[in-house]
Amino acid sequence: SQKIEQNSEALNIQEGKTATLTCNYTNYSPAYLQWYRQDPGRGPVFLLLIRENEKEKRKERLKVTFDTTLKQSLFHITASQPADSATYLCAPGNTGKLIFGQGTTLQVKP
Amino acid sequence: DGGITQSPKYLFRKEGQNVTLSCEQNLNHDAMYWYRQDPGQGLRLIYYSQIVNDFQKGDIAEGYSVSREKKESFPLTVTSAQKNPTAFYLCATGDDKRETQYFGPGTRLLVL
Repeated sequence: SQKIEQNSEALNIQEGKTATLTCNYTNYSPAYLQWYRQDPGRGPVFLLLIRENEKEKRKERLKVTFDTTLKQSLFHITASQPADSATYLCAPGNTGKLIFGQGTTLQVKP
Repeated sequence: DGGITQSPKYLFRKEGQNVTLSCEQNLNHDAMYWYRQDPGQGLRLIYYSQIVNDFQKGDIAEGYSVSREKKESFPLTVTSAQKNPTAFYLCATGDDKRETQYFGPGTRLLVL
């Protein structure tokens, strides 16, 4: 069956450093992969979408890579800030359906 | 969660009771989705609808039912057949490309 894996352990980093989150998937060939941010007790918010024919996508301090050979996506936040503290969800998708990972919680300390 | 409202924010269910969660959107999106989120797990798809008067089961539809009589509304009923209903329920809509999803604020269901 399809499986999406994200680091279950929280990631703690110092303000100003780059945070890197990993998403691995198996038994799946997504046409695109999305990243969402979720704050406690709230719904996820869309951040970035990268397609299978794209290697890298950037938006302000965010960068996403997509390696369909390794079946992996990396999500980077540069110059991290305490306000970036949240849970980040990876969601590969195809034809209107997304499969969500369990998320990685990022804690940025001042 | 701008154009998507879910109510109530908290809902309590007694044994043997059916409860209905509301989801309304003003984004004019055709696609709507219901997910369940449990601690430490990813969002799991319960039901989805691509168009009015049509819906399909997701991965964990047992014990749930939905209707889609209007484009704006996609209510979810948690029936007494759902033995472990305690979770955070999220409604989402999908744009015309059916790629990005937009989520509501969620309803937390607790069992008394």
